[in-house]
Amino acid sequence: EPEVTQTPSHQVTQMGQEVILRCVPISNHLYFYWYRQILGQKVEFLVSFYNNEISEKSEIFDDQFSVERPDGSNFTLKIRSTKLEDSAMYFCASSEALETEAFFGQGTRLTVV
Amino acid sequence: GEDVEQSLFLSVREGDSSVINCTYTDSSSTYLYWYKQEPGAGLQLLTYIFSNMDMKQDQRLTVLLNKKDKHLSLRIADTQTGDSAIYFCAESSLNQGGKLIFGQGTELSVKP
Repeated sequence: EPEVTQTPSHQVTQMGQEVILRCVPISNHLYFYWYRQILGQKVEFLVSFYNNEISEKSEIFDDQFSVERPDGSNFTLKIRSTKLEDSAMYFCASSEALETEAFFGQGTRLTVV
Repeated sequence: GEDVEQSLFLSVREGDSSVINCTYTDSSSTYLYWYKQEPGAGLQLLTYIFSNMDMKQDQRLTVLLNKKDKHLSLRIADTQTGDSAIYFCAESSLNQGGKLIFGQGTELSVKP
């Protein structure tokens, strides 16, 4: 069964460093998303991406965040200068169309120290 | 803004039915979803319902939607210990660019 894969599963980084979280969406999907879940809190939407551009982003997705689809298979989330409060589980998701179900990856646990 | 609320905990005995409830505020919701998260794992889509339906059944799972009250429930029949997990309700609407608004999750504990 096709699935969304994310790497790494866990990343530890020092405050102020840049991190890139990687995702391989399901191959025939056209819409891509990043969500995050701070420990003990709700899963929060960060950004959606379609046709090589951001289609919607939340207030959380400020200038320190960026997304990219560098080739036909990968979808990345870059955090430019990490803060302690960026520590969270980051989930990538993809969907075939705008109103079809989104499939999530296993998540990357980011720990900023 | 849009909000989705769930109770935080539910404990049942193995073999009983579980009912997990969710309320939402967005009257333009088009799809409502249930996701399952096992410890250390990602979000697994269990089922979803389109807003013009009031019920959907899929094996042991029954989803009920009361659009007037903006209330969604997930019933798990014959609950097993393997059903122990956190269950998230989520909604999306046409004007949100595909984004999902999640509830805080209900932790289901199934006791043998």
